[in-house]
This record gives sequence, structure tokens and C-alpha cells, in this order.
Amino acid sequence: QVQLVQSGAEVKKPGASVKVSCKASGYTFTTYAIHWVRQAPGQRLEWMGWISAGNGNTKYSQKFQGRVTFTRDTSASTAYLHLSSLRSEDTAVYFCAVGVDCSGSSCYALPEYFQLWGQGTLLAVSS
Amino acid sequence: EIVLTQSPGTLSLSPGERATLSCRASQRVTSRYLAWYQQKVGQAPRLLIHGATSRATGISDRFSGSGSGTDFTLTISRLEPEDFAVYYCQQYQYGSSPPYTFGQGTKLEIK
Repeated sequence: QVQLVQSGAEVKKPGASVKVSCKASGYTFTTYAIHWVRQAPGQRLEWMGWISAGNGNTKYSQKFQGRVTFTRDTSASTAYLHLSSLRSEDTAVYFCAVGVDCSGSSCYALPEYFQLWGQGTLLAVSS
Repeated sequence: EIVLTQSPGTLSLSPGERATLSCRASQRVTSRYLAWYQQKVGQAPRLLIHGATSRATGISDRFSGSGSGTDFTLTISRLEPEDFAVYYCQQYQYGSSPPYTFGQGTKLEIK
């Protein structure tokens, strides 16, 4: 079964950091980039950046540059989002997503879109 | 940054009716890089349409997309109870910062 499974909800204090995981299964992990998208309460979806699961290259949205780091563990087929210096405005649901469409035993890339999503991880930042 | 503006903010319709949702971009968007998603409460978004007009795998033919340039439309014919949700458009443009942006959403509610 092709899926992304994320880690559970987190509650953090302002100034702290958080690490969210996203475990992939059902497709070749290293073939596709993993994106991170967040959704603050009542707000639109916001793209944070991506990591190449193959070579680890990253691209971050300028908004988060310097505060966010994406990593991956190919042996565990898992990607990680690390967000530091948390503030209340970081309260949101964080999604990992991949632009891949799998049908049966074959997959093809949809790099401009987000076909496969994790279930989301709620981060609450509050003093 | 390419800003996507969706209208209306909320659309109240009855099952069996036709829904027309709009997405307008602040600058020209390459049609093959325009998508629509459906999101239900507590769930991740689901890709419905990509390339402005192509249905994603497993998506009902009641969903159709159209448009080009800066104006795009998602049409849902014969609304079913499960169609009532929030809909987002999304665009990708290489070299833009950020390269991926979403509209603010249209909530489709039961009248």
C-alpha cells in the first residue's frame, strides 16, 4: 500500500524546536522528492520546501529559510522536518506530500503536484 | 510570488446541483501546472485535477477543470453529499519564489 505516515501531534513552547517524521511505504523512496506543506488554522495551504529523497538536496521557501531543516534516512524510508525558534504563528498542521501517482505496481512522477499526502501532524505552540 | 484568489469564499448548493468554482492568478500560470484539490475536515487534501483539465487517478468524471492564462474553473456536475468540502487551487512555476502556491479555498456547503 502506497502511503505516507507521519508522527503524532506535538505541543511546544515558544523558542523550542520540533522534529516531525514522515515514513513512506509502497514505492521506491529514493526516486521522488518529499515536500512539506503546512496549514495554519483558517489559512491557506503553504508550501515550505522539499528534499530529494535520493541525494538529500533541499530547497526551502524563503519564508522559512534559516529556521527549517529537512533531512531523510533512506534506510528507514523516512523524511524529517525540523523547525526551530518556534512561535505561536507556527501552530498548524504539517503535511508531507509527494508528487507521485502509483497504480498497481507502477508509479510515475507528478513533480508539479501533490498526489500522495501524509495524514498531517498537528503542532501547537503555546506558553 | 504568484497569488491565487478563489471565489466565491463559500458556495451553498443542494445535492444534484452544479457547482462552479473560480481561481484567478495574479500573473499568467502555465496551464499544465494548475491543479485542484478537495479537502475534508481533519483530512489531507486530495488531488482532483492537474494540468488544469486532467482528472487525477480515481477521480469521478463529475469533476472537470477548464481555463488558461490567469482564470481557471473547477466544475462539479450533479453534486453528491460527499462533494461538500473545501476546494483549493494550486500552481507551480519554476523559478518563482515560492514555486508552489495555493488559493485560499472555496467552501462548498449544503444549502
